Amino acid sequence: DTAVSQTPKYLVTQMGNDKSIKCEQNLGHDTMYWYKQDSKKFLKIMFSYNNKELIINETVPNRFSPKSPDKAHLNLHINSLELGDSAVYFCASSQGVGLSTDTQYFGPGTRLTVL
Amino acid sequence: ILNVEQSPQSLHVQEGDSTNFTCSFPSSNFYALHWYRWETAKSPEALFVMTLNGDEKKKGRISATLNTKEGYSYLYIKGSQPEDSATYLCAFNRRRDSNTGKLIFGQGTTLQVKP
Repeated sequence: DTAVSQTPKYLVTQMGNDKSIKCEQNLGHDTMYWYKQDSKKFLKIMFSYNNKELIINETVPNRFSPKSPDKAHLNLHINSLELGDSAVYFCASSQGVGLSTDTQYFGPGTRLTVL
Repeated sequence: ILNVEQSPQSLHVQEGDSTNFTCSFPSSNFYALHWYRWETAKSPEALFVMTLNGDEKKKGRISATLNTKEGYSYLYIKGSQPEDSATYLCAFNRRRDSNTGKLIFGQGTTLQVKP
């Protein structure tokens, strides 16, 4: 069983389109995250939800909107896609927040290519 | 600007060699330091979470040490095997971010072990 899954794995789309990436975790965790792997290969946090409440909202364009219908799902919707949005996006989850030993479990990543 | 730096960026060793690499992070406001192992085409996988100055953790042939006063952690691999080939990421959790789980990742050290 995959603990943290993302769909789709690959997404190729045209500039200006709107697209969503879905993430699901079956670990019973309370907290979920979205990361972007930038051009220099750094993993950078974008958003985090704890029990469906937004707790991290880094400086990302407001074309990016996370949605958490329940604590097992955190989807990422991107409006008006731009060339610079091309990247690999990773979802992760952790038991909670606040415990220094909380480990984050990562999904397989979604490679987004904007043409 | 908060920097987490890893060195070297890449490393090539022969099977059987022992190796180590470094993660540097700001020494003030420390909460936790995470190490992840990231194999090509897979998800980052947690190795260690370290919280106390002087901590040493071990998992098989891999071990890590932590110095929070000077802001560095070492990862050691004893008797490297080809299956150790991966990118090793460290991630820093600041005390001010302890209630959100926000991790700041280094760029990683990519290890290639030749048979």
